[in-house]
Amino acid sequence: GNSVTQMEGPVTLSEEAFLTINCTYTATGYPSLFWYVQYPGEGLQLLLKATKADDKGSNKGFEATYRKETTSFHLEKGSVQVSDSAVYFCALSDLADTGGFKTIFGAGTRLFVKA
Amino acid sequence: NAGVTQTPKFQVLKTGQSMTLQCAQDMNHEYMSWYRQDPGMGLRLIHYSVGAGITDQGEVPNGYNVSRSTTEDFPLRLLSAAPSQTSVYFCASSFDRAKNIQYFGAGTRLSVL
Repeated sequence: GNSVTQMEGPVTLSEEAFLTINCTYTATGYPSLFWYVQYPGEGLQLLLKATKADDKGSNKGFEATYRKETTSFHLEKGSVQVSDSAVYFCALSDLADTGGFKTIFGAGTRLFVKA
Repeated sequence: NAGVTQTPKFQVLKTGQSMTLQCAQDMNHEYMSWYRQDPGMGLRLIHYSVGAGITDQGEVPNGYNVSRSTTEDFPLRLLSAAPSQTSVYFCASSFDRAKNIQYFGAGTRLSVL
């Protein structure tokens, strides 16, 4: 079945450092890929997405490229801020038999950014 | 904009009690889902619905029931609570399967003693 594996955290960085959070996936079809972010005490919210191979999703300085050859969707940001401290989830979504879709989430990576 | 609203925010139950977690969305989304979030395990899908009157099981459906009588509401019922159901529960909705971007509620933190 489908699965998502992302790097374990926590990741601790200083402000303005470069961020990479690795994410790899296995899928039988052609899924869409997502990064969601969860701030303390809140639900998840979409950060960025990509729907096909070589697509690049970007938002708020974060980027991720859908790499089918390496089955990866790594999240990057050139210069992190304290406000980026959160838990980041990689996810894939594929069609389900019922005509809807199913989303599989990775375990999440907690990011701490120090001033 | 209310978005996805979950109630209650916190709940403590004793083993064997039953309860219903409420979820409502005002975005006219067809797709709704329930997840549980446990440390180190990400979110796991409990049940989902592709429209009013249609529901299906996710990864971890045992011990939970759902129904979808209206587009807006998707309650999750715990039939006989067990300590293993201590978790944070999130409801999510989505407009359509082509985009399948999900909008999440703020969550319900449930403890079963």
